[in-house]
This record gives sequence, C-alpha cells and structure tokens, in this order.
Amino acid sequence: GIQVEQSPPDLILQEGANSTLRCNFSDSVNNLQWFHQNPWGQLINLFYIPSGTKQNGRLSATTVATERYSLLYISSSQTTDSGVYFCAGGATSGTYKYIFGTGTRLKVLA
Amino acid sequence: NAGVTQTPKFQVLKTGQSMTLQCAQDMNHNSMYWYRQDPGMGLRLIYYSASEGTTDKGEVPNGYNVSRLNKREFSLRLESAAPSQTSVYFCATHRGPGYEQYFGPGTRLTVT
Repeated sequence: GIQVEQSPPDLILQEGANSTLRCNFSDSVNNLQWFHQNPWGQLINLFYIPSGTKQNGRLSATTVATERYSLLYISSSQTTDSGVYFCAGGATSGTYKYIFGTGTRLKVLA
Repeated sequence: NAGVTQTPKFQVLKTGQSMTLQCAQDMNHNSMYWYRQDPGMGLRLIYYSASEGTTDKGEVPNGYNVSRLNKREFSLRLESAAPSQTSVYFCATHRGPGYEQYFGPGTRLTVT
C-alpha cells in the first residue's frame, strides 16, 4: 500500500518565522488532506487539496499529484500554530482507506 | 450543531473487560470512520462505514467490532480489551470520497 513520509519530523521556530512542511507519497495519491492536531489533541482540517494550490490566511498548501508530494507553508508563525501537522491521502479517488503520515511536530517559541 | 461527538472522553479498563465507544454526527454525512492514534504515530484506520448498513475493515481491525446503528451513529466495541489497545480513538465522518473528513474530539482509552 501507499507509504507516507513527512518531513521534518520535528521543527522549532521563533514566532514570526516561516516554514515549509513536506509530505511525500510512495505512489500516486488522491483526496489529499492536511490536518493540525493542537496541543489538546483536537484534529482540525486545514486543507483538502488533491491538486493545485490553496491559501487560507497565513497558511497555504500545494499538491503536485504527478510527483507524489504536497507542501504546507506557514508564514509569520504564531505560538498557536504549535502542535502536530498530518497529511493523509488515499490510493484511489474512490477509496475510503486513508493513509496518514506520522506527522511534523511544530513548536513555535514566543 | 455539534458536528462529531464521542463518548466517553476517557476510560480505564482492566484486561479482558469489554466496552463500546460511541460516535454520533449531525452533519448528515454518509461515511463514518474509526481510527486509533498511538504515541508518536499517525492515525491508523480500524473500520469504516461507507454508508448506512455497510461496514468494512481498515488497516488494524483485529480485536474490534463495529455497528453502524443508523446514519448518525457508529459504535466501536472492544470485546476483550488488551493492553495493546491502549490508545486514543478518533471517529471521523465525511460525505464520501472526494470530500474532506471531520474528526471528533477523541476517546483516551487505557487498558491495564
């Protein structure tokens, strides 16, 4: 099945810094989604981005499905951005079986 | 509009005990999922229900059973809990493939 690798595994930033998180897939992926798990454990949707680029405030994401990767950009980071960022996707567009990466743990220092 | 709710929030079981985790959604979504999250890992799919009346195994189904009670509710049962089932359990829903998933707050289960 599909393998999902996220990098870096850990990241520490000063408030105001920018960062790029990467998600690589071993095979073509569909229905790619990015999540933020906050320090209280809640999983929050960031983007549903099977292809192309989307932006939401300080966050943006780009998926290049043909090259099997997706990027999440965080600009002007804030302490509330701390937590774990996960990407997830499926092997086919009609699948219900989503595979999650192991996450990037981000800590933003004030 | 509560979205996705899970009960209980926390549970401690002894090895061999049974329990049922409950999930309910008011989003009128067709599909529902149960995942588990172990420390330092991503989520792994236990079971899913593509639509009311159907259930299918995910990546790690052993030791679990599910029931899709109606469109709103999807329960996960541990018949004989084992320490390896200590985890955080998340329920999720979506309209179907091609739509984003929404998660409940999770149930933290400890089996001693």
